[in-house]
Amino acid sequence: QVQLVQSGAEVKKPGASVKVSCKASGYTFTGYYMHWVRQAPGQGLEWMGRINPNSGGTNYAQKFQGRVTMTRDTSISTAYMELSRLRSDDTAVYYCAREVGYGSLGYWGQGTLVTVSS
Amino acid sequence: DIQMTQSPSSLSASVGDRVTITCQASQDISNYLNWYQQKPGKAPKLLIYDASNLETGVPSRFSGSGSGTDFTFTISSLQPEDIATYYCQQYDNLPQYTFGQGTKLEIK
Repeated sequence: QVQLVQSGAEVKKPGASVKVSCKASGYTFTGYYMHWVRQAPGQGLEWMGRINPNSGGTNYAQKFQGRVTMTRDTSISTAYMELSRLRSDDTAVYYCAREVGYGSLGYWGQGTLVTVSS
Repeated sequence: DIQMTQSPSSLSASVGDRVTITCQASQDISNYLNWYQQKPGKAPKLLIYDASNLETGVPSRFSGSGSGTDFTFTISSLQPEDIATYYCQQYDNLPQYTFGQGTKLEIK
């Protein structure tokens, strides 16, 4: 069965960077886009971007351009999302999510809480 | 960017009620719209894809319709386990996905 297991919670200071991992299993990692979506406390879902695990090609939401980097390591079926120059309003749960079809996010990780606080 | 306007933002209904949520796109997105359910403390779950197709394993009381700019999500007979927040999401303007603001559904 498809599983996406994310790394644990992080606490960071403003200005720092955070790197969240998402380990995939149960399917061919290079066969499906991986997306990252975040959710601030009590707020809605916000799409951050996606990576093609096969080619490494990325697309980022305009809001995060220049601050987010998505990478992958195909040898261990793991995707990464790094967000730099963290601010307090980056405090959120960050999810990885795999496409099941064109544009549809059918499998989700458990989420990783990133807290940005001085 | 395409904006998604979802309404209402919250909704209170009784068990057995028919519940309807709407989502309006700022421009024509054909049928490139999904609906998700999110329960507190959990990751979202895909319910409807391509505006009207039921994801495998999702109960048939859930349905979606619409195309272009106006979309509707319906629960035909509300069950207690349906208490959640529901989101629409467009994927016409790839690679810029957009979610609606969400509709929090509560039991009356």
